[in-house]
Amino acid sequence: QVQLQESGPGLVKPSGTLSLTCTVSNISISSYYWGWIRQPPGKGLEWIGYVHSSGSTNSSPSLKSRVTMSADTSKNQFSLHLTSVTAADTAVYYCARLKQIWFDYWGQGMLVTVSS
Amino acid sequence: EIVLTQSPATLSVSPGERATLSCRASQDVSFFLAWYQQKPGQAPRLLIFNASNRATGIPARFSGFGSGTDFTLAINNLAPEDSAVYYCQHRNNWLSLSFGGGTKVEI
Repeated sequence: QVQLQESGPGLVKPSGTLSLTCTVSNISISSYYWGWIRQPPGKGLEWIGYVHSSGSTNSSPSLKSRVTMSADTSKNQFSLHLTSVTAADTAVYYCARLKQIWFDYWGQGMLVTVSS
Repeated sequence: EIVLTQSPATLSVSPGERATLSCRASQDVSFFLAWYQQKPGQAPRLLIFNASNRATGIPARFSGFGSGTDFTLAINNLAPEDSAVYYCQHRNNWLSLSFGGGTKVEI
């Protein structure tokens, strides 16, 4: 079955850059959109953005100035970079496949804490 | 920006009963709405897409209704394993996505 796995540092210093990679198994990332969603502890889901295998991206207006996303079809991975992080960026970060308007396959999520 | 408002925030129901969850959009979103179930410590799971279509493997107890601005997720014959937070989500014409605030269902 399709599997997604987030990876990256679990601890990032304030003002630093949060960088995560999502590795996709059992399906090629080509021709699909892939998204990032986060969830602060005890709170709801927030859409961050999505990237197409071709490299085109779209992100939440509230995060657009700090978000960069990319896709690497040779590694079957896609990545998220969030700059100038603060404690408010502490959250569980999920990667997922975006099919039309919905997310049908999700990673297990990864907690990233912003702290000095 | 289209805002999705879910109600109630918390719903307490007994096993075997029916739960009705609401998701209201601030503008017409046609049928472009999905529902997810999230249990503690787990990733969300897609239940319903395009307002009324069940995702693969989702029991028939779960059903979605609505279009435009008012949507409903109904769960029949509630079981203890249905205890979770349920979120609605949509995509607007500018290809931005957003989630509702969630409804916690307690069995």
